[in-house]
Amino acid sequence: GQQLNQSPQSMFIQEGEDVSMNCTSSSIFNTWLWYKQDPGEGPVLLIALYKAGELTSNGRLTAQFGITRKDSFLNISASIPSDVGIYFCAGHLGDKIIFGKGTRLHILP
Amino acid sequence: NAGVMQNPRHLVRRRGQEARLRCSPMKGHSHVYWYRQLPEEGLKFMVYLQKENIIDESGMPKERFSAEFPKEGPSILRIQQVVRGDSAAYFCASSPYGRLSTDTQYFGPGTRLTVL
Repeated sequence: GQQLNQSPQSMFIQEGEDVSMNCTSSSIFNTWLWYKQDPGEGPVLLIALYKAGELTSNGRLTAQFGITRKDSFLNISASIPSDVGIYFCAGHLGDKIIFGKGTRLHILP
Repeated sequence: NAGVMQNPRHLVRRRGQEARLRCSPMKGHSHVYWYRQLPEEGLKFMVYLQKENIIDESGMPKERFSAEFPKEGPSILRIQQVVRGDSAAYFCASSPYGRLSTDTQYFGPGTRLTVL
């Protein structure tokens, strides 16, 4: 089945640092999505990408849909404590969404 | 406008009992999706329903699991004769239009099922 490979699995950073994470797939996706999940909650959509090569920003977040349609990255600039959580990349495949395993972001005190 | 609502938030069952999870989609949404999340994993698609119809159940185990979305009332995910391996977080999502690849799915807070 289709798989999304996310890296890194975990990140430990200082507040104020920039963050970069990416996602690759063996299959082509028509839509790439980035979600954030806080502990005990459901995923919340951060950014949706619809076209190959598209670069989209949402505040301090920037994401790009790779030209090959098999990869995407998410950058977070100037991280703050509330950025802590799990970030999932996901792709639309027909009527379902396929999720990666997530990147766990920790901010060191 | 309330978001997707799920209840209960936490459910504890003993092996062999039944678990019933409820999902009320966002107002105006007639498409519901159920996903399962194991610890340290991403969400895995289980089933997609419209009102009174199952559209895609390719991710749902063939035995013990069933889902419905009646004309009136919430969508129900039902797990019969639960086993320890059913322990997971179950998320419901809803969308306004359905099968379009650009249709955004909005997720509820999940039901965390623990099987003793």
